[in-house]
Amino acid sequence: KAGVTQTPRYLIKTRGQQVTLSCSPISGHRSVSWYQQTPGQGLQFLFEYFSETQRNKGNFPGRFSGRQFSNSRSEMNVSTLELGDSALYLCASRVTGFSTDTQYFGPGTRLTVL
Amino acid sequence: AQKVTQAQTEISVVEKEDVTLDCVYETRDTTYYLFWYKQPPSGELVFLIRRNSFDEQNEISGRYSWNFQKSTSSFNFTITASQVVDSAVYFCALAGPSYQKVTFGTGTKLQVIP
Repeated sequence: KAGVTQTPRYLIKTRGQQVTLSCSPISGHRSVSWYQQTPGQGLQFLFEYFSETQRNKGNFPGRFSGRQFSNSRSEMNVSTLELGDSALYLCASRVTGFSTDTQYFGPGTRLTVL
Repeated sequence: AQKVTQAQTEISVVEKEDVTLDCVYETRDTTYYLFWYKQPPSGELVFLIRRNSFDEQNEISGRYSWNFQKSTSSFNFTITASQVVDSAVYFCALAGPSYQKVTFGTGTKLQVIP
């Protein structure tokens, strides 16, 4: 079974631009979560989608948004990029999103904002 | 609110030594789930183990073992006879019942020196 895939793997943007990251979950997994990882803040939860609905949300500004499609693929969008948005963005999928389910992570997208 | 504390920021050991990574958690839930993940330099988080709050049996998997103690709210991870390939950042994580987000600790960077 293929794992979680994320595209692109690396991205360089400038301040003020916007960016869209993509995540394809493991086949059969309906829950997709997004995390931001930085050296200073560690792993921070952004949001979780299940059946095209946002179910949980972390403490991030409205510039960070996401969506999920009917095939469970998910996209994350960051508008008006700031230098502090430079980070590794990790996507994780699980079967239903219930806490007993294990999350499986993708390789991440490394975003650099100049 | 949930909280996971990994007090050890970095640990260095010489190959073949045993090493224990500490994890202390806080939660008001009576049912919860604990996880350990490994993040090698490549960046992808690799799932190691999941433990339910109602199952306090310790677990051993090859050179890895986990000690879960509800009385002290700890879920420690021991690597026996460490190897260079064990060098990575290790994260402890906690999820409550139902469809809740996963809270991660700040991670412990383990360096195994040959």
